[in-house]
Amino acid sequence: DAKTTQPTSMDCAEGRAANLPCNHSTISGNEYVYWYRQIHSQGPQYIIHGLKNNETNEMASLIITEDRKSSTLILPHATLRDTAVYYCIVRVGSGTASKLTFGTGTRLQVTL
Amino acid sequence: DTAVSQTPKYLVTQMGNDKSIKCEQNLGHDTMYWYKQDSKKFLKIMFSYNNKELIINETVPNRFSPKSPDKAHLNLHINSLELGDSAVYFCASSLGGGADTQYFGPGTRLTVL
Repeated sequence: DAKTTQPTSMDCAEGRAANLPCNHSTISGNEYVYWYRQIHSQGPQYIIHGLKNNETNEMASLIITEDRKSSTLILPHATLRDTAVYYCIVRVGSGTASKLTFGTGTRLQVTL
Repeated sequence: DTAVSQTPKYLVTQMGNDKSIKCEQNLGHDTMYWYKQDSKKFLKIMFSYNNKELIINETVPNRFSPKSPDKAHLNLHINSLELGDSAVYFCASSLGGGADTQYFGPGTRLTVL
């Protein structure tokens, strides 16, 4: 299984961009990178995913390096409500048997 | 309308008891999951079902038995509860397999005394 490495915690000022890094140096060519977040005491929430191209949606942007060994999740204008644990996940398997293996994540604290 | 719902939200019980947690999704998804999040906040998949068929069964004690009466429901029955079963259990669903966006329920906090 491809493993991911993330910083344990990060701080970000409200209104600034939050850049959350993730290393996945053992990722295989057909494995996707997913980002989920978990706000305190709630179920995880999907943010974004990608294979090798950069991706953007209404929540965030995902930048994947050309060698695919690392990626960065960008929250362009962080708010207090973005305070959460952010999980970078490499999908394992394919089809109905594919699964997400959550790591320890990065605890993002957004402050005034 | 709640997309993925779980009942109960909290469950406190004695060791040795048998309990069930229910999950329902109204998203029309084919795949449902059970995850366990322990006190150290590690979130681990336990089971997945696709169209009522068991697909993923991680190394979970056989005291845990999932049941899927239909595509919209995946219940988790736990026999002979132990202290180590105390955790938050999350149900999730996705349209297809784990590659699709998974929608999580609010969780059930189980405390075994």
